[in-house]
Amino acid sequence: EAQVTQNPRYLITVTGKKLTVTCSQNMNHEYMSWYRQDPGLGLRQIYYSMNVEVTDKGDVPEGYKVSRKEKRNFPLILESPSPNQTSLYFCASSLIGLHRGDNSPLHFGNGTRLTVT
Amino acid sequence: AQSVTQPDIHITVSEGASLELRCNYSYGATPYLFWYVQSPGQGLQLLLKYFSGDTLVQGIKGFEAEFKRSQSSFNLRKPSVHWSDAAEYFCAVGRNNAGNMLTFGGGTRLMVKP
Repeated sequence: EAQVTQNPRYLITVTGKKLTVTCSQNMNHEYMSWYRQDPGLGLRQIYYSMNVEVTDKGDVPEGYKVSRKEKRNFPLILESPSPNQTSLYFCASSLIGLHRGDNSPLHFGNGTRLTVT
Repeated sequence: AQSVTQPDIHITVSEGASLELRCNYSYGATPYLFWYVQSPGQGLQLLLKYFSGDTLVQGIKGFEAEFKRSQSSFNLRKPSVHWSDAAEYFCAVGRNNAGNMLTFGGGTRLMVKP
């Protein structure tokens, strides 16, 4: 089954304790992205990756890191989490970017709810 | 910079009634427009998309949306709502520069009364 898998689904941590949220897709998608969802703000893009070893900042990258060493995986790293990073996080992937005229939609994972105390 | 506005944060409709969710966008070029639905505890699922051509697009689950360039709108409609349509709905505009970057609206939460 084609899917985007995030782990964990729920995570409670304390300020400053490094954490990683994993994301894996089995569709051989080039493009992967991380979003955070906050009430009233919709989804905001954190980072995205066009392919292996190619990553770039989205709208709200501060406090986050990503890596893309393999095509299928795109982990989100919080080196020193803070309470303002408490949010619902989504990973998404698609075949290729819109700028190439492709109309491949984004496929989303089921989300990771992170609480930083 | 592009932006998406969904004016209605919450909407409640009776089962069987018609539905229209509003979406207005701001974007300099021809936009790529999307509607996604999020059920509780789930990720987002694509309902429909507009890239070009016919301005009335059909999606899954009986939804449709109409692109109106003059009004910068892309409203989502359904003639008869089912209780299972209760969810949060997001409108998004795709940026035609680099990557598959979407700008999302704040979402509209739909509640369905029996």
